[in-house]
Amino acid sequence: AQSVTQPDIHITVSEGASLELRCNYSYGATPYLFWYVQSPGQGLQLLLKYFSGDTLVQGIKGFEAEFKRSQSSFNLRKPSVHWSDAAEYFCAVVPIQGAQKLVFGQGTRLTINP
Amino acid sequence: KAGVTQTPRYLIKTRGQQVTLSCSPISGHRSVSWYQQTPGQGLQFLFEYFSETQRNKGNFPGRFSGRQFSNSRSEMNVSTLELGDSALYLCASSLQGARTEAFFGQGTRLTVV
Repeated sequence: AQSVTQPDIHITVSEGASLELRCNYSYGATPYLFWYVQSPGQGLQLLLKYFSGDTLVQGIKGFEAEFKRSQSSFNLRKPSVHWSDAAEYFCAVVPIQGAQKLVFGQGTRLTINP
Repeated sequence: KAGVTQTPRYLIKTRGQQVTLSCSPISGHRSVSWYQQTPGQGLQFLFEYFSETQRNKGNFPGRFSGRQFSNSRSEMNVSTLELGDSALYLCASSLQGARTEAFFGQGTRLTVV
């Protein structure tokens, strides 16, 4: 079945430490790939997207993501986290054919230790 | 450029009532999609409207409906509310559809009591 998986429900890192959030997808053809962030009680903000081309994508707020076709992964990274990065992060895909709808992973909640 | 505006931000309704939520997309965007977010089910696609026509629909009962006006503003309606309809309802606007990048509003928090 087509799906998006974020294996980590909750991650805690110290301020200043590096971060990697994992995302795997299961689709026949590589879909469009996105990472969104959601602060409590707020909507979703797009961090970055991958459609094609360079597999390392730069986004806003110092985030980047790497697309690995062989692993069906699109992991989000940040070299040094700030307390303001505490939020929930969602990986999402849009299939290249069929309905233009975002299919989301279950999300990873990020907590930052001071 | 103004972002996506959803109104109201919060709603409390009683079981059996109906509710209408509104979404004003970014100027120039013709696609509006609606998503339901709950702790148990996560983010789920409700439907998408493009140029006043429902283009895609998710797996929700017929109590959930929507429409889009000529100015691209969209409304969704939920009739005969159930406790399980309590959720954050998010609207996303995009130029041509989700493949062209979607921008989300802040959502409407619906509580059914």
